Amino acid sequence: GNSVTQMEGPVTLSEEAFLTINCTYTATGYPSLFWYVQYPGEGLQLLLKATKADDKGSNKGFEATYRKETTSFHLEKGSVQVSDSAVYFCALSGETSYDKVIFGPGTSLSVIP
Amino acid sequence: GAGVSQSPSNKVTEKGKDVELRCDPISGHTALYWYRQSLGQGLEFLIYFQGNSAPDKSGLPSDRFSAERTGGSVSTLTIQRTQQEDSAVYLCASSLSRTGGRHYGYTFGSGTRLTVV
Repeated sequence: GNSVTQMEGPVTLSEEAFLTINCTYTATGYPSLFWYVQYPGEGLQLLLKATKADDKGSNKGFEATYRKETTSFHLEKGSVQVSDSAVYFCALSGETSYDKVIFGPGTSLSVIP
Repeated sequence: GAGVSQSPSNKVTEKGKDVELRCDPISGHTALYWYRQSLGQGLEFLIYFQGNSAPDKSGLPSDRFSAERTGGSVSTLTIQRTQQEDSAVYLCASSLSRTGGRHYGYTFGSGTRLTVV
């Protein structure tokens, strides 16, 4: 079945550091890929998405590229801020109409001044 | 509405009691999903509605859990004879129907925090 694996946290970075959170997936065909973010005390929000191979999703300075050849969708940001501290979830949805979104376990990020 | 609304936001109940959790999706979103997020855990899929029917209820953990959706809008998740292991945040999400295999992504509600004592 479909599954998502992402790097274990917690991740602690200094402000303005470069961020990479690795995500790989297992799925047949061409799933849709997502990153969701959950800020402290808040609900989950869609951060970015990509629906076909080589697409790059981007939002709020974050980027992720859909790599079919490596089945990956790594999240990157060039310069993190304290306000980026949150839990980040990689997720996928299969090709069929009834495929629900499957989430990875989440990676907690703390950015310190 | 403007967003996905869930009620109550918090619910404390005694073991063995029944609880009902409500979700009001974004107007026009035909797809509705329930997930559960336990402390320190990821998101566990429970059930998916397309309109009023539930083509995927594979995630419901036991027959104590049921859900319905009426009028293609509001959904209710019911847990009967609650147990302590049911304590979690129950999240509802809605989305537009998929087009050409592409998924638009979910909009989540703020969740209902259920505590069974």
